[in-house]
Amino acid sequence: GQNIDQPTEMTATEGAIVQINCTYQTSGFNGLFWYQQHAGEAPTFLSYNVLDGLEEKGRFSSFLSRSKGYSYLLLKELQMKDSASYLCAVRIQAGTALIFGKGTTLSVSS
Amino acid sequence: DTEVTQTPKHLVMGMTNKKSLKCEQHMGHRAMYWYKQKAKKPPELMFVYSYEKLSINESVPSRFSPECPNSSLLNLHLHALQPEDSALYLCASSQSARETQYFGPGTRLLVL
Repeated sequence: GQNIDQPTEMTATEGAIVQINCTYQTSGFNGLFWYQQHAGEAPTFLSYNVLDGLEEKGRFSSFLSRSKGYSYLLLKELQMKDSASYLCAVRIQAGTALIFGKGTTLSVSS
Repeated sequence: DTEVTQTPKHLVMGMTNKKSLKCEQHMGHRAMYWYKQKAKKPPELMFVYSYEKLSINESVPSRFSPECPNSSLLNLHLHALQPEDSALYLCASSQSARETQYFGPGTRLLVL
């Protein structure tokens, strides 16, 4: 079976940095995606990693280690609006759809 | 522009009704997807269309029937649904089945 693990909940304060981890054991690997989803809204694409290393996009960065089956999403300078669910998703092979982890609910307080 | 639109935003239907959900994108994407998402759960894939052909059907009950009339449109026809089918139905599209998927706002469905 396919397994994607993320922490269920995390809390942080405004201005802080938070790292959301994702580990996966899947039958194949053709890319890892991070999405942000606010309650009642659709997922919004944040980042994509297919090679090892760090991808940076403004306040958000994502890291991948394929040998360890591990990724993290790093959020800097947290803002209240960053309170949301963060979904890690793996594409098993090219041409197939995504398999999502259960998501991490991040609560940012002032 | 990465906009995927879905109508209606909300839908309430009885178990004997027939209704359709619609999804549209004008980004020239050739792959389109239907996902189902229950509260506090991740999206689960239902169907994938690639170049207007159904390429993946994740063993979804026949009371859900997808249709892809052209490369910009994707429908999901609903018939004889059950209360447990109540969920957020998300449409997504991507340039091809290899590329990043962009999601529409979803249709929140309630089956009574």
